Amino acid sequence: DAKTTQPTSMDCAEGRAANLPCNHSTISGNEYVYWYRQIHSQGPQYIIHGLKNNETNEMASLIITEDRKSSTLILPHATLRDTAVYYCIVRVDGSSNTGKLIFGQGTTLQVKP
Amino acid sequence: DTGVSQNPRHKITKRGQNVTFRCDPISEHNRLYWYRQTLGQGPEFLTYFQNEAQLEKSRLLSDRFSAERPKGSFSTLEIQRTEQGDSAMYLCASSGDGLATQYFGPGTRLLVL
Repeated sequence: DAKTTQPTSMDCAEGRAANLPCNHSTISGNEYVYWYRQIHSQGPQYIIHGLKNNETNEMASLIITEDRKSSTLILPHATLRDTAVYYCIVRVDGSSNTGKLIFGQGTTLQVKP
Repeated sequence: DTGVSQNPRHKITKRGQNVTFRCDPISEHNRLYWYRQTLGQGPEFLTYFQNEAQLEKSRLLSDRFSAERPKGSFSTLEIQRTEQGDSAMYLCASSGDGLATQYFGPGTRLLVL
């Protein structure tokens, strides 16, 4: 599985959009980009994933560059409850793979009032 | 609440004692994963089950660790002769076969004194 690079920490003002970048320059054509977050002392929470196209759900939007070497997770209106560690992970999906997730250090997002 | 439950949530034990943790996955999920997370680090993969078969084990899973998933439902993770270095959060996740998204439980926090 490809490695990812994320900033160690970021701040965001409450109510503003939080844009979390991730570099995955060695991603393969069949690898998906996944985002999870982990609020203090809880298990990781799935946010969103994508392959090529931009994706949006009730939690966030995922923007993947055309060359797929980087992506950005967007939380449109950050709240204090969005303070967490955000992990960007790339992996191959499919029934022939174990599907294990390889976590990096993630980005600690601090949302400030 | 993701539907994945883990018990106990906290465990304090003395060095050399055996401990066992339980994970109840989402009922229709045939894939089950164990991860370990130490302070300040992202979760690390330990082992993977598809139904009752243990298909992959990490090098992190020393011979003091054993995991089972009888009947392909709940899973247990046992650590024998605990050491202080085993102190960590132990996380369980499950997923379906076609749906590759993993859903995590709240974790079991182990402290070895």
